[in-house]
Amino acid sequence: SAVISQKPSRDICQRGTSLTIQCQVDSQVTMMFWYRQQPGQSLTLIATANQGSEATYESGFVIDKFPISRPNLTFSTLTVSNMSPEDSSIYLCSVEVGGVSYNEQFFGPGTRLTVL
Amino acid sequence: AQSVAQPEDQVNVAEGNPLTVKCTYSVSGNPYLFWYVQYPNRGLQFLLKYITGDNLVKGSYGFEAEFNKSQTSFHLKKPSALVSDSALYFCAVRGRRNNDMRFGAGTRLTVKP
Repeated sequence: SAVISQKPSRDICQRGTSLTIQCQVDSQVTMMFWYRQQPGQSLTLIATANQGSEATYESGFVIDKFPISRPNLTFSTLTVSNMSPEDSSIYLCSVEVGGVSYNEQFFGPGTRLTVL
Repeated sequence: AQSVAQPEDQVNVAEGNPLTVKCTYSVSGNPYLFWYVQYPNRGLQFLLKYITGDNLVKGSYGFEAEFNKSQTSFHLKKPSALVSDSALYFCAVRGRRNNDMRFGAGTRLTVKP
């Protein structure tokens, strides 16, 4: 299994500013993912972050808006840049851990972001 | 690309009655299927998964789900609902060649005493 922590757990930010969310895992993992959960909605994959390579972004998400770092196998950051109220969401970090028959995916507790 | 549909936004059941939360999927090849639960102001909690083998999968808190390949469904069930089961439930699918997981829109389950 994997234990994932995220910082901050929540924040209230002003329009036009940026926030960096940290994700720390208690074991080395290859695959890390960032999801967004807008109020009352499901989870949407933002990007996949592998250590040593650039993140792969899903349709509708761009690096300038959501830059991601993956400096090592236990840590990643997601920055929400030039924020607007539409960015108010829960942002979740997720990791994939190798299992016997397949790789299991675990989720962090999320970062609740409110943009005023 | 894989996708998941949860046709019901909301499911209401009385405590003690059986519950079903529906999920259908679309994926190339054989899928990995998952159910997660989200309680208010908390993260996602894993309930159960289908990888291979027995089509009936048993998970946490008395929940189970049946993989039906012909109907491409993976409905979540529980024989006797509890008020504490009230939460938001997400079905998810991952292809065997893809590393990312796709989630359904979620179904809000309300169990009334």
